[in-house]
Amino acid sequence: NAGVTQTPKFQVLKTGQSMTLQCAQDMNHNSMYWYRQDPGMGLRLIYYSASEGTTDKGEVPNGYNVSRLNKREFSLRLESAAPSQTSVYFCASSATPRPYYEQYFGPGTRLTVT
Amino acid sequence: AQTVTQSQPEMSVQEAETVTLSCTYDTSESDYYLFWYKQPPSRQMILVIRQEAYKQQNATENRFSVNFQKAAKSFSLKISDSQLGDAAMYFCAYQGGGSEKLVFGKGTKLTVNP
Repeated sequence: NAGVTQTPKFQVLKTGQSMTLQCAQDMNHNSMYWYRQDPGMGLRLIYYSASEGTTDKGEVPNGYNVSRLNKREFSLRLESAAPSQTSVYFCASSATPRPYYEQYFGPGTRLTVT
Repeated sequence: AQTVTQSQPEMSVQEAETVTLSCTYDTSESDYYLFWYKQPPSRQMILVIRQEAYKQQNATENRFSVNFQKAAKSFSLKISDSQLGDAAMYFCAYQGGGSEKLVFGKGTKLTVNP
């Protein structure tokens, strides 16, 4: 059982370039999430998807787009990368039903935008 | 909006000793869940312990326990018999009942001295 996988692990981009971060989970979870982690800021939610075909904005969605390709995969796209998007990006997934949504995290992608 | 505050950016403890990490939160909801996540240098986010707000009994997982004070909106983590492998960033997180969103604190870096 791989859990939540993310590719790539590291990436360096120039300002203005685009790229897509990939995330997949094999736990048959309905919900998936993208977070960014900046020094001294904790993790902040970018977008999430409660089910296949639906996506919603989180706390810091500007500059990002997402696609819930199917139940397993949830991608995050930077259309025109900016230095402010230098961060570590985490994907997570969680199962339903309630009572609580324990989230399982991937290993993260370290992105540097120069 | 809900907020989570970790007032200790860094803490240190001697191996085999006990340490307590603080967390306070702000919410107007009555149904919610609280979590402590551990992030070692590998970056992997690992769930340490969770607490349901409707439960008065404090959660315990082996050497990890919480002191949940609902009226004071306080949720501290106690690590007993600290081990070198406990060295990590620790994040407190809040999840409102019915919401899929996790709100994280900024983290506490724990150092364990041999």
